[in-house]
Amino acid sequence: AQRVTQPEKLLSVFKGAPVELKCNYSYSGSPELFWYVQYSRQRLQLLLRHISRESIKGFTADLNKGETSFHLKKPFAQEEDSAMYYCALRPRHRGQNFVFGPGTRLSVLP
Amino acid sequence: DAGITQSPRHKVTETGTPVTLRCHQTENHRYMYWYRQDPGHGLRLIHYSYGVKDTDKGEVSDGYSVSRSKTEDFLLTLESATSSQTSVYFCAIQADPGRWSNNEQFFGPGTRLTVL
Repeated sequence: AQRVTQPEKLLSVFKGAPVELKCNYSYSGSPELFWYVQYSRQRLQLLLRHISRESIKGFTADLNKGETSFHLKKPFAQEEDSAMYYCALRPRHRGQNFVFGPGTRLSVLP
Repeated sequence: DAGITQSPRHKVTETGTPVTLRCHQTENHRYMYWYRQDPGHGLRLIHYSYGVKDTDKGEVSDGYSVSRSKTEDFLLTLESATSSQTSVYFCAIQADPGRWSNNEQFFGPGTRLTVL
C-alpha cells in the first residue's frame, strides 16, 4: 500500500534560516509527488510537483528514488512561509487516488 | 481559485442528527473527492466520485454516504452524526486522474463541522 510520512509535526525556524520539510514515501512503482500548502484558514493549494522541477516562492523539492524521499527546501525562510505543508503521492496507475502525509506545520519566527 | 464552493462553511450540530455537506464546482471536472482533515492525520479520503452516479469508498468511509446526481454537485451525508466526525471537511476536484502528467487536485475552502 502507498504511504506518505512526514516525521515533523511542527518545525520552527528563524526568519532567514534555511528550512527543510521532510517527506518519505512507500510505493512499489514510480509515483508522482506533490507539495501542497495551507495558509491559515485557507484552502489547500498546490505548491509544486516533482515532474515540473520548478521553484515556487523559493521552495524546491527533489525526488530521491533511492531514499524514497521528496524533501521540501528553502534557503532563506520568510515569515509569510508559516503554514501547514502536506506532501502527497499519486500512484501512476489509472484511477489511483492521492495519498497525503500527516502534514508539517512550519512556523517562521521573526 | 478554481470554481469550487462548499456549503455550509461552518456547522454545529448534535449527536444523532443527519448532516449534509455540499460541494459545488463550475469547472466541469469529472472527479470529485471528500476528505476530512484532522490533526496528526492530515487529509484522509472519505469518498470519491468518478462521474455522475459513480462513487466509491475511500479510506474512512464508515458513517458517511455520498451522492452525485449532477456533474457539478457532490454531497456528503452523515446519516447520524457522532462526535468523532467533528472535523474540517474538504472537497476537491480533478480533471482526469488517468492523465497523471501535470494533473493536480483543486480544493474547496472547507467546512468546519462540530458535533456536540
